[in-house]
Amino acid sequence: IAGITQAPTSQILAAGRRMTLRCTQDMRHNAMYWYRQDLGLGLRLIHYSNTAGTTGKGEVPDGYSVSRANTDDFPLTLASAVPSQTSVYFCASSDSNGKGPEEQFFGPGTRLTVL
Amino acid sequence: AQSVTQLDSQVPVFEEAPVELRCNYSSSVSVYLFWYVQYPNQGLQLLLKYLSGSTLVKGINGFEAEFNKSQTSFHLRKPSVHISDTAEYFCAASNDMRFGAGTRLTVKP
Repeated sequence: IAGITQAPTSQILAAGRRMTLRCTQDMRHNAMYWYRQDLGLGLRLIHYSNTAGTTGKGEVPDGYSVSRANTDDFPLTLASAVPSQTSVYFCASSDSNGKGPEEQFFGPGTRLTVL
Repeated sequence: AQSVTQLDSQVPVFEEAPVELRCNYSSSVSVYLFWYVQYPNQGLQLLLKYLSGSTLVKGINGFEAEFNKSQTSFHLRKPSVHISDTAEYFCAASNDMRFGAGTRLTVKP
């Protein structure tokens, strides 16, 4: 069982370029999340999806977009990358069973550098 | 919106000593609380969680945390740490999935 996979592992990107970070889970979890991790700021939620076909904005959504065409995949797109988007990006999923928030399972992360 | 404050950015401690990592949250509604651990170059893993019930929560690797509603705290403790506990620890409050800034625990021999 792979859990959550993210691709690429790392990427160096020129400012202004478009980039899609991929995230796939094989646990059939209904909810998925994208976070960015920056030193001294912890993890900040970018976007989330409670179920396939729906998405929502987190704490820092500007400059990012997501889609959730199916249960397994939750790509994050930077339409026009800027240096302030240099960060480590984590995808996560959880199985919300209606009883309240549950444990999130995290991918290994994507280290993105925007020059 | 909830906020989560981890009061110490770094905690150095000697092996086999006890440790407490502090976390305070702000919320006017029911809250669910989590502690995650992040080892170098890895994603986060759940240590323990508080959803309801007993205020003392036991997690993996000998860690435990106590939910204190009056002090709005959820401090993480371990009576005797090991070198392998060296990692970054994050407190999180759910409903809108807010994470603290993290505490780097360094266990020295």
